[in-house]
Amino acid sequence: DTEVTQTPKHLVMGMTNKKSLKCEQHMGHRAMYWYKQKAKKPPELMFVYSYEKLSINESVPSRFSPECPNSSLLNLHLHALQPEDSALYLCASSQGREERNTEAFFGQGTRLTVV
Amino acid sequence: DAKTTQPTSMDCAEGRAANLPCNHSTISGNEYVYWYRQIHSQGPQYIIHGLKNNETNEMASLIITEDRKSSTLILPHATLRDTAVYYCIVTGYSGGSNYKLTFGKGTLLTVNP
Repeated sequence: DTEVTQTPKHLVMGMTNKKSLKCEQHMGHRAMYWYKQKAKKPPELMFVYSYEKLSINESVPSRFSPECPNSSLLNLHLHALQPEDSALYLCASSQGREERNTEAFFGQGTRLTVV
Repeated sequence: DAKTTQPTSMDCAEGRAANLPCNHSTISGNEYVYWYRQIHSQGPQYIIHGLKNNETNEMASLIITEDRKSSTLILPHATLRDTAVYYCIVTGYSGGSNYKLTFGKGTLLTVNP
């Protein structure tokens, strides 16, 4: 199984709503990532988790709150978002071990619309 | 991570080889060259990566110059399904950052019938 599964595929939320994006992998990967991608732009790194601990936060606003409850799951909690936060949110995972440099696997993303 | 420079767009005829260049003149000794592609509205897909030597897999070949300052991704027989944005990324392990992938603008490859 080389899949990274993201749910939901599409999400529409109001600016006062609280919602969560979910990402799951069963490849035994210990590094997991959240990216944000606006239309016609490259993916932008938001967060990196290494062995269930947050290792990188690319100065993301606090209305985005990541969580890694176990080695297979990664959540992104959303609260009080703005319309400009509408984007494709991508999750990825990789081995996460220094001695083994391998590829990252990406999910198909959640397309988020904030109204 | 070292910065990369790629052409904005390229065209290729179906069935011909597609050669996508990437410049990474500031690459350091422990950094790898990775190639990913993103077909419209899908998540990025890993293609190939290398450190010094040329690499080949079922999807593509990667040619890295001896000084490692540039590389070329080769799709030997391009098909219409290879139309995508191709990203060249240079990255290495640095403590907790776990081979951080930072995407540049990439090259839009259009394969024409």
